[in-house]
Amino acid sequence: QKEVEQDPGPLSVPEGAIVSLNCTYSNSAFQYFMWYRQYSRKGPELLMYTYSSGNKEDGRFTAQVDKSSKYISLFIRDSQPSDSATYLCATTSGGYNKLIFGAGTRLAVHP
Amino acid sequence: GAVVSQHPSRVICKSGTSVKIECRSLDFQATTMFWYRQFPKQSLMLMATSNEGSKATYEQGVEKDKFLINHASLTLSTLTVTSAHPEDSSFYICSAREGTGSDTQYFGPGTRLTVL
Repeated sequence: QKEVEQDPGPLSVPEGAIVSLNCTYSNSAFQYFMWYRQYSRKGPELLMYTYSSGNKEDGRFTAQVDKSSKYISLFIRDSQPSDSATYLCATTSGGYNKLIFGAGTRLAVHP
Repeated sequence: GAVVSQHPSRVICKSGTSVKIECRSLDFQATTMFWYRQFPKQSLMLMATSNEGSKATYEQGVEKDKFLINHASLTLSTLTVTSAHPEDSSFYICSAREGTGSDTQYFGPGTRLTVL
């Protein structure tokens, strides 16, 4: 079993839709959770960073962590074609431990 | 803030040659840098963790004599692919962790290596 599971998609939605991206993880020691966006042939860009359970909102993006079910989500409201990219979830237990990445979900937002 | 650069962005080389890739943190000091490789449509695979002034820690299955990592300063790490072969062709990405007490990694734009 992988430490972080993420459906690779692809996920195709119309412009303006609400997008829900999800990951599950197995290690209860994970405390820090991130979402990265990666455009084709580019390095990942940090979108959201959360610690422990709860929600965090930044513009059209909301990150949600439920440690009781080991489930992390990223919601994108009013999705735009420019949101088309691969979204990677990542987590770590902290203490300078390495990041564990999900497989990445490819999202396509069509006009 | 938190910008990481990589150079070159793309390199094509002949089999058997060595290639050096630079990773720089432009506006912060990075005590730790990471090197990843990524195959098409796959996630990031951590190759090694590099701490300034000390030897890199390699992940299982990564040949340390083939992928030489140097982290000589708080803003620069280099990855040298020695005696490159076509199977080394990949997208290499570095990341840098900002200072101490932070788990956030900032990624460079990546280097596309093609070995002929």
